[in-house]
Amino acid sequence: GAVVSQHPSRVICKSGTSVKIECRSLDFQATTMFWYRQFPKQSLMLMATSNEGSKATYEQGVEKDKFLINHASLTLSTLTVTSAHPEDSSFYICSARSRSLRGWDTYEQYFGPGTRLTVT
Amino acid sequence: GEDVEQSLFLSVREGDSSVINCTYTDSSSTYLYWYKQEPGAGLQLLTYIFSNMDMKQDQRLTVLLNKKDKHLSLRIADTQTGDSAIYFCAEKRARDSNYQLIWGAGTKLIIKP
Repeated sequence: GAVVSQHPSRVICKSGTSVKIECRSLDFQATTMFWYRQFPKQSLMLMATSNEGSKATYEQGVEKDKFLINHASLTLSTLTVTSAHPEDSSFYICSARSRSLRGWDTYEQYFGPGTRLTVT
Repeated sequence: GEDVEQSLFLSVREGDSSVINCTYTDSSSTYLYWYKQEPGAGLQLLTYIFSNMDMKQDQRLTVLLNKKDKHLSLRIADTQTGDSAIYFCAEKRARDSNYQLIWGAGTKLIIKP
């Protein structure tokens, strides 16, 4: 159990266009989803946290008008990169959190396989 | 500071043990995690340890926690080529009424034949 999917896995788009990335929790309900950006040889950078049915909370330095996040249901969150530029090229990873499926009182984050965005 | 620190690379021979080290800063962290990222893939939770534990073993994986020094290590016994990946250390830190994971930069494990 606890599978998170992302679609698409890879996308190449032209500068100025918008790209939508979907993140789905396939076999559990995710009240909270996270969006990360990963740079080569660097750690994960948390971009925003979204709770189902409410507005996303963005980290400092992340433009909310550029990276639109929608968490419309307990199994789906989307990240739209608007007016993409080459500097937005990166590996975007989503993560969904659920109460531990093992029954312990802890929450676990499950990660999607990531989306490689290349803006030309 | 907020940093979780790891070495960027570790090279070991196949069959040897690998020890990946991590230091963190928040003494109030309750959980510490090790994630594995294989090339082109997402992150996979390998193991985690509660802050009140010193050691946790799960098959070939052994996690050691030194709370005094805020040092966490992951030992992989009998390292195999399939263990080639980037290993991330993360600490769970309270934030407002929620929590967030603070990540290290990842250690790339390179296996020599």
